[in-house]
Amino acid sequence: GENVEQHPSTLSVQEGDSAVIKCTYSDSASNYFPWYKQELGKRPQLIIDIRSNVGEKKDQRIAVTLNKTAKHFSLHITETQPEDSAVYFCAASSPYNTDKLIFGTGTRLQVFP
Amino acid sequence: KAGVTQTPRYLIKTRGQQVTLSCSPISGHRSVSWYQQTPGQGLQFLFEYFSETQRNKGNFPGRFSGRQFSNSRSEMNVSTLELGDSALYLCASRDRGNTEAFFGQGTRLTVV
Repeated sequence: GENVEQHPSTLSVQEGDSAVIKCTYSDSASNYFPWYKQELGKRPQLIIDIRSNVGEKKDQRIAVTLNKTAKHFSLHITETQPEDSAVYFCAASSPYNTDKLIFGTGTRLQVFP
Repeated sequence: KAGVTQTPRYLIKTRGQQVTLSCSPISGHRSVSWYQQTPGQGLQFLFEYFSETQRNKGNFPGRFSGRQFSNSRSEMNVSTLELGDSALYLCASRDRGNTEAFFGQGTRLTVV
């Protein structure tokens, strides 16, 4: 069945450094790839998404890249700040699977001042 | 626009009991999905409802069931509760496929 793998499970960086989180999906028909941020005790919230007709998308310090051939997509956070500390989830969905949104297992990012 | 509302926020139940959780989606959203969140397991897909029909089901036992009403509100039921069912249950609503999913605050279920 469909599956999304996410690495690493934990990531610690110094404030100002960059952070990269990688995901791999199994369903080659997947065409929508959102990223969610979940702060402690709060609900997951969308931070950026990308569709399969685009290779890269940027929003200020956050960027997502997609490699359809390799079925990989990655989240890049530059100039990290302590408020970036949270759990990040990648997800994928396929129109041939009625757009079911499948999530990765999450990455706990800690940014140390 | 009001966000996704889940009730109750917290619940403590005894093994063997059953429980019903409720989710009210954003007005106009017809898709409601349910997820189980446990430490280390991420967000595991339970099922999705669209216009009162179950469109998708995850790999959970038949003790987990749900339904959706004509006003798009959804309920999730877990029968014969087990200790391992303790988790945060999140629902998410979407306007249509391949768009942003908006999550509720979740219901924290503890089974003792």
